[in-house]
Amino acid sequence: GAGVSQTPSNKVTEKGKYVELRCDPISGHTALYWYRQSLGQGPEFLIYFQGTGAADDSGLPNDRFFAVRPEGSVSTLKIQRTERGDSAVYLCASSSRQGSEQYFGPGTRLTVT
Amino acid sequence: DQQVKQNSPSLSVQEGRISILNCDYTNSMFDYFLWYKKYPAEGPTFLISISSIKDKNEDGRFTVFLNKSAKHLSLHIVPSQPGDSAVYFCAASALGTGNQFYFGTGTSLTVIP
Repeated sequence: GAGVSQTPSNKVTEKGKYVELRCDPISGHTALYWYRQSLGQGPEFLIYFQGTGAADDSGLPNDRFFAVRPEGSVSTLKIQRTERGDSAVYLCASSSRQGSEQYFGPGTRLTVT
Repeated sequence: DQQVKQNSPSLSVQEGRISILNCDYTNSMFDYFLWYKKYPAEGPTFLISISSIKDKNEDGRFTVFLNKSAKHLSLHIVPSQPGDSAVYFCAASALGTGNQFYFGTGTSLTVIP
């Protein structure tokens, strides 16, 4: 069965540009998480979806970051006016229910130049 | 404020011996703990979990121990194999109070053949 997929695998963008990162969770998984991982750090929580709604977005660093999951499956993380400090690996994970173990995608490496 | 800490950034072990990876946490509300394994250029892979009602959980060569009074958990791998060489993250959550999983900074394990 297919795992969590993320596209693109790598994204290089210029400071100030807008980017979208896509996540396809495991089919049937209702919970979806976005994390950000900087070099030498563990994954840092950004936002959690249960179905279509963002149940917890307390980890989003500021209002330049936004995520959607309109049909309760695919999710898109959107970053406006990118800054060099946004450079990191963005990980998506899904789980069959809230609080259970999460299955991660391979991540999107974002580099802001 | 790092609520989950892995104080050993790296560990080397001979093949066949025991690997012990340690993790400390500060939030007494955490009641569910997980270990993930990560290879380069891949997302973390779930390994084993434990809830706070237990002090030990075993799955094949992997055993997780939880000491709630010390706010400490450890992962034992025995016997260690070269394929176990990876970065190991511990994670914790408070299931009743939120959806966030807090990750440590990881320990890089090298199993020497």
